[in-house]
Amino acid sequence: SQQGEEDPQALSIQEGENATMNCSYKTSINNLQWYRQNSGRGLVHLILIRSNEREKHSGRLRVTLDTSKKSSSLLITASRAADTASYFCATSGDSNYQLIWGAGTKLIIKP
Amino acid sequence: SQTIHQWPATLVQPVGSPLSLECTVEGTSNPNLYWYRQAAGRGLQLLFYSVGIGQISSEVPQNLSASRPQDRQFILSSKKLLLSDSGFYLCAWRVDLRGGYTFGSGTRLTVV
Repeated sequence: SQQGEEDPQALSIQEGENATMNCSYKTSINNLQWYRQNSGRGLVHLILIRSNEREKHSGRLRVTLDTSKKSSSLLITASRAADTASYFCATSGDSNYQLIWGAGTKLIIKP
Repeated sequence: SQTIHQWPATLVQPVGSPLSLECTVEGTSNPNLYWYRQAAGRGLQLLFYSVGIGQISSEVPQNLSASRPQDRQFILSSKKLLLSDSGFYLCAWRVDLRGGYTFGSGTRLTVV
């Protein structure tokens, strides 16, 4: 079953601009994770943010988490053509073995 | 270093034929292993997970089965493929139940 819902479904921006993607979820979580998937490839883990954290950075990536609104955002600053990919959020509960995945945001960076 | 191998990369199989996809992990022991399927343009659907040798949990009852004959080997099988089994199959592992996954490169299965 899917819990995370990303928006927008697709996003096209110019290289150098910032890209923001959002994720909403429905139940309480232990952590929320963001992944990137290049076309036809496996997923790459980007960032994990725990439920007691509000913001996390990794290079040009910034993730925020608002547990009161059950939402998270992924910001990619100074986008590059290589950032073109689909981005997925996934939530992990306190007592289950699986992540609950959203359908993803397709990001296109125009040169 | 820890790596995950998944093969083949692409596979075209006729309806009714058997299937065997293999995934192996290196550089870690007793990983939690997962098989996911991804339909085109969609998120991931968990098919099976395993927390140890011979321990398989199925999330979606269907035409597929999984086995874990060795600690770092996870196999996805089918006795008779259906057209609806077409998709992108991903193997993944993680050390603990709340950490991030490491994914294999995936197998694109087309059933014709």
